Amino acid sequence: DADVTQTPRNRITKTGKRIMLECSQTKGHDRMYWYRQDPGLGLRLIYYSFDVKDINKGEISDGYSVSRQAQAKFSLSLESAIPNQTALYFCATGSRANTDTQYFGPGTRLTVL
Amino acid sequence: QKEVEQNSGPLSVPEGAIASLNCTYSDRGSQSFFWYRQYSGKSPELIMSIYSNGDKEDGRFTAQLNKASQYVSLLIRDSQPSDSATYLCAVTGTSYDKVIFGPGTSLSVIP
Repeated sequence: DADVTQTPRNRITKTGKRIMLECSQTKGHDRMYWYRQDPGLGLRLIYYSFDVKDINKGEISDGYSVSRQAQAKFSLSLESAIPNQTALYFCATGSRANTDTQYFGPGTRLTVL
Repeated sequence: QKEVEQNSGPLSVPEGAIASLNCTYSDRGSQSFFWYRQYSGKSPELIMSIYSNGDKEDGRFTAQLNKASQYVSLLIRDSQPSDSATYLCAVTGTSYDKVIFGPGTSLSVIP
C-alpha cells in the first residue's frame, strides 16, 4: 500500500462549490504539506502543519483552508471553488528527524468549470 | 525576483551525453538544497540532496553547490531515455520550516 494517499485522484466541479481534498499517511511523519502545481510555476506551498495543533499558511493560502484531524490526516478545502484553482494538488509528508526529504502523494487533479 | 529559478528548458540531449541542469536561489541563508525528479503525471521524488559547497556524486548524478554564487546544479552522466522527466530544484529557507521549489526544467533524452 502507498505510504501517502490522496482522495479523490480526479475531480471536476463547478464554480462556487465546496470541495475537500483528503490526504492520509502511514509513514508516521509529523509534518504534512499541501502544494499546488501549475504548468511553468512549479510547486507552490498552500498550507503546512508540523503537528495536529500547528497550522501555517504557505505562499498561496487565500481561498483555501485546512484541517489536521490526526497526525496521519490532513485535508484541504476550497470553500467556494473558482476556475483559477484548477491545478494538480499534492500532499507531502516529512519528519522533524529528517527535514530534508518530503514524500509526495500521487496527486489530485482538480478542474473547476 | 523569484526565490528559486531554473533554466527554462525544455532541454534535449542525446542518449549517452551529459545533461546539465542549473538552479539559482535568492535567500543567502539557505542551507539545504535538493533535486527532485518528476515523471509526467507522477509525483516528485527526491534524487539528490546537498548541503556544503562542492560536488556530491551518486551513481550517474552529481550535484554541485556554490553558496557564494547562490547556484546549484545537477549533472546527469550517460543520460538514458528513462531520465526524461522534469527536474525540480528545491531550497530550504533560512528557518528550515519549508521548502521552496523552482519551476522545473523538462529534460528529454533522445535515443
